Amino acid sequence: GEDVEQSLFLSVREGDSSVINCTYTDSSSTYLYWYKQEPGAGLQLLTYIFSNMDMKQDQRLTVLLNKKDKHLSLRIADTQTGDSAIYFCAESPPRGNTPLVFGKGTRLSVIA
Amino acid sequence: EPEVTQTPSHQVTQMGQEVILRCVPISNHLYFYWYRQILGQKVEFLVSFYNNEISEKSEIFDDQFSVERPDGSNFTLKIRSTKLEDSAMYFCASSDLAGGLRDTQYFGPGTRLTVL
Repeated sequence: GEDVEQSLFLSVREGDSSVINCTYTDSSSTYLYWYKQEPGAGLQLLTYIFSNMDMKQDQRLTVLLNKKDKHLSLRIADTQTGDSAIYFCAESPPRGNTPLVFGKGTRLSVIA
Repeated sequence: EPEVTQTPSHQVTQMGQEVILRCVPISNHLYFYWYRQILGQKVEFLVSFYNNEISEKSEIFDDQFSVERPDGSNFTLKIRSTKLEDSAMYFCASSDLAGGLRDTQYFGPGTRLTVL
């Protein structure tokens, strides 16, 4: 079945770039999402990329997709303490209105 | 900006008791979902609901679980006889029909269920 894997922890200094990586198994996924979960809060949709794109930039966020390797990454430029959170990668199968498959989440800690 | 809301934010119950978790999806959305996240684990899909019936469900969603849309705005998840292993954060999500990004799922803040 579909599976999504992420490293569990990442620690960066304030002002540096963070890169959070994700691998997935379903090559037919149409959209790949990044959700952010702040402590005690819900899942906030951060950004997404469509499977026919290689890169998407949205202000400080850059999403890179390597379909051949089924690898997705989220780069956060100029990381701030407010970026400390858990970041979930999720894939969406192509059928539409289908369950998302999530990774375990990467806990990003930003050190001032 | 429209958002999904959930109540209560935290529910504590005794094992064997029934609980009802409530959600108000985004008003023009047609698909509704429940997911759960056991502490430290992945967010797992439970059930999706469309047109007043279950669209898909996972193996976790057994006979102890049920969902309902009792009126035009609420979407509920009922657990009939809670077990210790039901302790988790339960997230409600909603989406529009598929088509481009229209079926992007928007999540509520979650209800933390603690079963003692």
